[in-house]
Amino acid sequence: AQSVTQLDSQVPVFEEAPVELRCNYSSSVSVYLFWYVQYPNQGLQLLLKYLSGSTLVKGINGFEAEFNKSQTSFHLRKPSVHISDTAEYFCAGTVNTGNQFYFGTGTSLTVIP
Amino acid sequence: DVKVTQSSRYLVKRTGEKVFLECVQDMDHENMFWYRQDPGLGLRLIYFSYDVKMKEKGDIPEGYSVSREKKERFSLILESASTNQTSMYLCASQTGGADTQYFGPGTRLTVL
Repeated sequence: AQSVTQLDSQVPVFEEAPVELRCNYSSSVSVYLFWYVQYPNQGLQLLLKYLSGSTLVKGINGFEAEFNKSQTSFHLRKPSVHISDTAEYFCAGTVNTGNQFYFGTGTSLTVIP
Repeated sequence: DVKVTQSSRYLVKRTGEKVFLECVQDMDHENMFWYRQDPGLGLRLIYFSYDVKMKEKGDIPEGYSVSREKKERFSLILESASTNQTSMYLCASQTGGADTQYFGPGTRLTVL
């Protein structure tokens, strides 16, 4: 069975500090992995995705993530956060034989001025 | 850009009412999905559809039904709304394959 786990439900960080949001997956087959961001009272917006190729993926708003097969992880990072990055972040995965997504429970990032 | 729209941003209904939530996408996507989002539980899949008139149950289909008469439109129906269906409902669409799902803005439903 496939699943995605986000290890931190809340992450507070000071403005201009680096941040890492953790995501681990469980799958017996090849996976595709995604990070989405959700601002208050809005839908989910794609930040970045890993389908194949380079394990370091760059996304919008200065975020990047690294696919690590040996550690079954896909952690999201940003070297310097802004107040506007305050939002809920979701990690999701799927397998290439299907279209159903498996979502983590979300990480609430709060950037402190 | 892909655009997914949902018929209402906020909705208040009474227990026992029949509720329709509509979702429209403009990118000719084959797959469409309905999720509900609750604090601490993330997104849970209610139903999805991979073609017109086709539907598949997700993880929590009880109390819901869906309709897809046209490719661009996917409706979620609460036959008899209950207070435990108070939630944020998100619609998504996807091309026919394991790739990005595009989300609508969500409908926050309150059942009194």
